Amino acid sequence: QQQVKQSPQSLIVQKGGISIINCAYENTAFDYFPWYQQFPGKGPALLIAIRPDVSEKKEGRFTISFNKSAKQFSLHIMDSQPGDSATYFCAASYSSGTYKYIFGTGTRLKVLA
Amino acid sequence: ETGVTQSPTHLIKTRGQQVTLRCSSQSGHNTVSWYQQALGQGPQFIFQYYREEENGRGNFPPRFSGLQFPNYSSELNVNALELDDSALYLCASSVRTAHNEKLFFGSGTQLSVL
Repeated sequence: QQQVKQSPQSLIVQKGGISIINCAYENTAFDYFPWYQQFPGKGPALLIAIRPDVSEKKEGRFTISFNKSAKQFSLHIMDSQPGDSATYFCAASYSSGTYKYIFGTGTRLKVLA
Repeated sequence: ETGVTQSPTHLIKTRGQQVTLRCSSQSGHNTVSWYQQALGQGPQFIFQYYREEENGRGNFPPRFSGLQFPNYSSELNVNALELDDSALYLCASSVRTAHNEKLFFGSGTQLSVL
């Protein structure tokens, strides 16, 4: 029940295309859903995050779509660029006093020039 | 830059040895969390410290221990190292607010256990 399932495992997109990464969760107590971007040799960096009281959040080329009833959320990267090539992790947490994040297994994105 | 620095960047140890990893958090961040990231996997929560006390622990044995100091630095100690402890260890600092926390990760310490 604590798992966050992420797909696909890897993704190849042409420059200018849309990258879509999906995550699903089971624990309805989760109330914060961030996405992290990680480059080789670096720690994860916060990209964008959403709470379940909204269905969509957009920041620049990055959009999170959230479906509370389906317990799913996704990251859309519009106009994908080679510089977006990285590993993306979704995560979930809940306000229990210990704000531990449950991470998905990651999606390795490659954007072709 | 997240303002979170970790040392060393790489470390090689032998099975059975002990290791201490260090982290310097962002100024003003009163919470530090440690995560273990195995190759090709997402980070897994080890434990969290809030105001110098352990405030939650993941599914890791007691040989994983930590400390948080008043100057926002912290340590992760691992005793009796096992081969499976080989991983990237990530420190994340945050400020506790009413609604969850934004975690700011360091670049990690790559630990290899031979």
